[in-house]
Amino acid sequence: DGGITQSPKYLFRKEGQNVTLSCEQNLNHDAMYWYRQDPGQGLRLIYYSQIVNDFQKGDIAEGYSVSREKKESFPLTVTSAQKNPTAFYLCASSIAVSGANVLTFGAGSRLTVL
Amino acid sequence: KQEVTQIPAALSVPEGENLVLNCSFTDSAIYNLQWFRQDPGKGLTSLLLIQSSQREQTSGRLNASLDKSSGRSTLYIAASQPGDSATYLCAVVSGYGQNFVFGPGTRLSVLP
Repeated sequence: DGGITQSPKYLFRKEGQNVTLSCEQNLNHDAMYWYRQDPGQGLRLIYYSQIVNDFQKGDIAEGYSVSREKKESFPLTVTSAQKNPTAFYLCASSIAVSGANVLTFGAGSRLTVL
Repeated sequence: KQEVTQIPAALSVPEGENLVLNCSFTDSAIYNLQWFRQDPGKGLTSLLLIQSSQREQTSGRLNASLDKSSGRSTLYIAASQPGDSATYLCAVVSGYGQNFVFGPGTRLSVLP
C-alpha cells in the first residue's frame, strides 16, 4: 500500500543535541512538507520541497534543516538552535490530481526534549 | 496573506445529532479546499476535497460545501456517532504549487 512513513514515532532528546526525523513516501508525489503542531494550535509549515534537490523555508524554519536528495525522502533535522523543539511533527506530500492539489500525511513523530 | 479560521473551536453533541462545522478563509481566490480528521496523537486523514469549480462533495455521512464568494466551507456530519469524535481541520491552497494554509481545527466530541 502506498503511503508516508515517519520514524521514529517517539523521540527523546537532551538539550543541545541535534535529532533527525525520517520521512519516506512511496506515492510518487513530487512535493513534500514538514509541519509542526503544538497542543491546541494549528499546523505550522517548517519547510517544503517541490522537487528533488530544492527546498524552501516555511513560516517557522529557524532551528531546523532539511534535505531532498531523493524524491521519496525528506528528512528533517531539529538542531540545538531550536529553542522550543518539543512538539508533534507531521510530514506530508502532495500531488496535483484533476486540477486539485491533494495532501497526504504520515502518522507523525513526537519529539520531547528532556 | 491567506488566513483560515474555524468555528466553533470545540463542540459536544449527543449521538445521533446532525451537525455543521465551519471553515472561513480571507482570500476567495482558492485552488481547492480539503477537510481532514485527526485523532489524538495521530496524523491527519483526508475526508473530502473540493475543487474551486465545485460546490460540494459527499462521502457517506459527510457532506462538504464550498462558497468561494463568501469565503466559507461547511462540513456537515449526519447522524453523528461516538466514533466521529476527533479534531476536524480544513486547509486551503491558493494555486498550483502554492502551500496549504490550515485552520486551527474544531474538536468534536460525540457522547453516547
